Amino acid sequence: QLQLQESGPGLVKASETLSLTCSVSGGSFSSTSHYWGWVRQPPGKGLEWIGSIFYNGNTFYNPSLKSRVTISVDTSKNQFSLKLSSVTAADTAVYYCARHTYGIGLHWGQGTLVTVSS
Amino acid sequence: DIQMTQSPSTLSASVGDRVTITCRASQNINSWLAWYQQKPGKAPKLVIYKASSLESGVPSRFSGSESGTEFTLTISSLQPDDFATYYCQQYNNFPWTFGQGTKVEIK
Repeated sequence: QLQLQESGPGLVKASETLSLTCSVSGGSFSSTSHYWGWVRQPPGKGLEWIGSIFYNGNTFYNPSLKSRVTISVDTSKNQFSLKLSSVTAADTAVYYCARHTYGIGLHWGQGTLVTVSS
Repeated sequence: DIQMTQSPSTLSASVGDRVTITCRASQNINSWLAWYQQKPGKAPKLVIYKASSLESGVPSRFSGSESGTEFTLTISSLQPDDFATYYCQQYNNFPWTFGQGTKVEIK
């Protein structure tokens, strides 16, 4: 059974880079049926897709964040990661890692709150 | 980007009520639409995929339908466990986009 677990600092200073890792169990990065990615949710607000990575390394990013986002996979550790640079208070959110199964939808990690401090 | 317009933003209902939530896409999304349920402090949970397919383990009182670019989530008889916020999401085109959410609250 698929399990996703986010990890990383809960507090990041403004202008610095937010870095999160998602550890995966019960799933394979070599599958052609899945995308691995990130979604965020500011406190009290809705969901925003950040980006996803396919098994062949192709990445897809939200244009609103594209200049600041990098998603990568470390297959040896069964992990994928998110880096978001030059953060501001507007980047304060719960960050979810998720797996999209082709034709179906997203299955989510439990989420981790990241607060950007000034 | 494809805009997903969800309504209503809040819905007050009683246990046993039939509840309908609507999501309209700004263009054709070829039925590639999912519905998620989110409870406070928890991750969203997939309820419906490909507009009308019920995710495994989800009660059959949940159903989805579509008419052109308008999609509907129906709960046939609202149960206490169903009070939550519901989001639609299109995955036809990148960037994937979500509706604004509908909070189903107790009347």
